[in-house]
Amino acid sequence: QQQVKQSPQSLIVQKGGISIINCAYENTAFDYFPWYQQFPGKGPALLIAIRPDVSEKKEGRFTISFNKSAKQFSLHIMDSQPGDSATYFCAASRGSARQLTFGSGTQLTVLP
Amino acid sequence: DAEITQSPRHKITETGRQVTLACHQTWNHNNMFWYRQDLGHGLRLIHYSYGVQDTNKGEVSDGYSVSRSNTEDLPLTLESAASSQTSVYFCASREGSGDTQYFGPGTRLTVL
Repeated sequence: QQQVKQSPQSLIVQKGGISIINCAYENTAFDYFPWYQQFPGKGPALLIAIRPDVSEKKEGRFTISFNKSAKQFSLHIMDSQPGDSATYFCAASRGSARQLTFGSGTQLTVLP
Repeated sequence: DAEITQSPRHKITETGRQVTLACHQTWNHNNMFWYRQDLGHGLRLIHYSYGVQDTNKGEVSDGYSVSRSNTEDLPLTLESAASSQTSVYFCASREGSGDTQYFGPGTRLTVL
């Protein structure tokens, strides 16, 4: 049973455009929601994360929007660049154990 | 610099053989994790450890085992490799009180 559903599976955006990736979760006990970025041949790396006590977190061109009532969160990449082309994973965890449950990933391609 | 390494980076083996994938981290993190990454499934947790002599099963643990004899290493063993275990395997570590998991570069395993 997939507890974190991610969409779309792939996304193509023009340079300078906005990339939006969405995730939905089922377990209301989740209390930490990170996004990981993965380049080909590399391991995932933390990009940005949010806790459910805030509705939005911004770091540079990357913003997480969080809707606790809808159990949804999304990643917005403003002014998308070709260097942002990568696979993005949302994830969720709960409690002190911090075991991550990942979404299925979104392959983002930013065209020059 | 502290880091997390995996070896080998690529491995081809035959069905039925025992395979061990190595993971070594120099951060002195207590928490270590093994994931497999398959298209359409994101990263799925195989096993994890919260310290020396501690091991726990994850979502997809059948056919895999781990042992933790020191803080730095968490080897993953496939007792009798199956074609369904062809995948990319990632090791990760996290410090005890932190949220961020740091991933290794991955091992691509092919079981023929």
